[in-house]
Amino acid sequence: QVQLQESGPGLVKPSETLSLTCTVSGGSISDFYWSWIRQPPGKGLEWIGYIYYSGGTTYKPSLKSRVTVLVDKSKNQFSLRLSSVTAADTAVYYCARTSGCSSGSCYFGYWGQGTLVTVSS
Amino acid sequence: QSVLTQPPSVSGAPGQRVTISCTGSSSNIGAGYDVHWYQHLPGTAPKLLIYGNSNRPSGVPDRFSGSKSGTSASLAITGLQAEDEADYYCQSYDTSLSGSEIFGGGTKLTVL
Repeated sequence: QVQLQESGPGLVKPSETLSLTCTVSGGSISDFYWSWIRQPPGKGLEWIGYIYYSGGTTYKPSLKSRVTVLVDKSKNQFSLRLSSVTAADTAVYYCARTSGCSSGSCYFGYWGQGTLVTVSS
Repeated sequence: QSVLTQPPSVSGAPGQRVTISCTGSSSNIGAGYDVHWYQHLPGTAPKLLIYGNSNRPSGVPDRFSGSKSGTSASLAITGLQAEDEADYYCQSYDTSLSGSEIFGGGTKLTVL
């Protein structure tokens, strides 16, 4: 059974870079799309972007200038970097894996438990 | 404001049937992109309920069903149970602004 676990600092200062890692166990990272999704307090889910195991990426257009998602196949991990953060980036961040794509939209069958990142000085 | 519009809340008594709508536009659902549904309990990981408009992953009860028509989709839950109380999100793909996966704003289901 594939399991995902987020890790990283729970507190980031405004204007700095948020960095999170997702460790994948129970399966190889060498297939599927690997994604980051967040949920600000009291709000809904927001897709941030995903990376294919080969390195190709797609990001949410409004976040594209600040987001980088990388994959490390040797460690079975992928990571998120979000630069120039503000309080609006405070959220629970989930890593997720697609289970497939149908008619142009990919769906997420595996999720981490999520990690709260607070942006504050 | 989400590109996919869901009612903020719905409610029903145990045993009843409820539906949750997800309204999009010609750049997402109406363009033919499939819709997927998730159940999210606070403090837990979201769970995939329906994929490809109407398909249930293994282990999801057949009380949950999905449909799509035109620029909208719906999730139906029959035989409502107390444990169904959760937030529900639809998800699809949108082609505007270079394209991205998108979620609805979420619907809180209360079992009375």
